[in-house]
Amino acid sequence: SQTIHQWPATLVQPVGSPLSLECTVEGTSNPNLYWYRQAAGRGLQLLFYSVGIGQISSEVPQNLSASRPQDRQFILSSKKLLLSDSGFYLCAWIGIAGLSFGSGTRLTVV
Amino acid sequence: GENVEQHPSTLSVQEGDSAVIKCTYSDSASNYFPWYKQELGKRPQLIIDIRSNVGEKKDQRIAVTLNKTAKHFSLHITETQPEDSAVYFCAASINNAGNMLTFGGGTRLMVKP
Repeated sequence: SQTIHQWPATLVQPVGSPLSLECTVEGTSNPNLYWYRQAAGRGLQLLFYSVGIGQISSEVPQNLSASRPQDRQFILSSKKLLLSDSGFYLCAWIGIAGLSFGSGTRLTVV
Repeated sequence: GENVEQHPSTLSVQEGDSAVIKCTYSDSASNYFPWYKQELGKRPQLIIDIRSNVGEKKDQRIAVTLNKTAKHFSLHITETQPEDSAVYFCAASINNAGNMLTFGGGTRLMVKP
């Protein structure tokens, strides 16, 4: 079956620290993968998408970056977190039922 | 690029009443319109979608209508129940498979028992 895994579920990081969030999918090959961010009480903002290994497109300029080292792995990173990076980060992919989301990572930058 | 506006931002209804959430989009090339439900602290989940070749789609108590001329689409929930309480997001895409979705700002629906 097709599934998406995302971790960690929650994360508290100090300002200026690095970040690495990982997302993997199973049961498919060469999926389109996405990173979305949801600020508290706000909508879903597309951050990055990838159509294949090493192919990353950025939708919003910021201090975040994304990488796709393997076909079914998508990583969101930052070298130095800002307070404004706090939010709910969702990995997503295009599956049989359209766009499906991972369980999300709630990041709090303190 | 595409811009999706969603109204209202909050909606409170009595259990058993109907709820309607409306969205407008800007790109006339958009042809795929999904709706997502997000319960508190959880991931958004697709509840219904509609493509531009139909004007209405229904799934039990949920229905979606699409007016391509006016560039707006709506979610209708009938006989609301407390478990319908959640944040609902509309979205639009020019790709029929759901690539590059642009989301509305969300509607917080509260169903009072």
